[in-house]
Amino acid sequence: GAGVSQSPSNKVTEKGKDVELRCDPISGHTALYWYRQSLGQGLEFLIYFQGNSAPDKSGLPSDRFSAERTGGSVSTLTIQRTQQEDSAVYLCASSLASGRIEQYFGPGTRLTVT
Amino acid sequence: KNEVEQSPQNLTAQEGEFITINCSYSVGISALHWLQQHPGGGIVSLFMLSSGKKKHGRLIATINIQEKHSSLHITASHPRDSAVYICAVSGGGSNYKLTFGKGTLLTVNP
Repeated sequence: GAGVSQSPSNKVTEKGKDVELRCDPISGHTALYWYRQSLGQGLEFLIYFQGNSAPDKSGLPSDRFSAERTGGSVSTLTIQRTQQEDSAVYLCASSLASGRIEQYFGPGTRLTVT
Repeated sequence: KNEVEQSPQNLTAQEGEFITINCSYSVGISALHWLQQHPGGGIVSLFMLSSGKKKHGRLIATINIQEKHSSLHITASHPRDSAVYICAVSGGGSNYKLTFGKGTLLTVNP
């Protein structure tokens, strides 16, 4: 079956521009996570959605970052006024529920801010 | 100090060797995950465990909850096992997000 998909796979943008990254989770998965993988920091949690509950935004590094999940399915991560330190691979993962459940990762979006 | 520590950071082995990667954590967890990432590739979940031992093919994962320690073993290693192996934990209670170790880069030479 289809796994988690993300688009675009690569994005190069100029400093100061806004970008939108998209995640399509596995059908039926109620939990969706965004993570970031950068050279200096490794993998880090950004935000989590579970069903209709309020998202856990505790990992977002600044108010330039926001995310939404429409209809409990597709999610969009938006970065406003991008900075060079935002350059990283942004990974989306989904799972059937939360907690002690395996997460399935998408291929990631590689963001380069020039 | 990171909540999840892995060792070694880098590991080079000859084909056929037995491989061990270690992970220690300092927080209460609901589960520990071992992930694999090939160069330029996506992340694949290998194991999720909260107690005891799991085996899948040549891969074995163990966890000792009391000692807050887990190991990933690869038997009869092969060059295709070359990848970054990442330990991650999901917190106790309803804490679901993963906290990651920095990964172990494994290179298996033919």
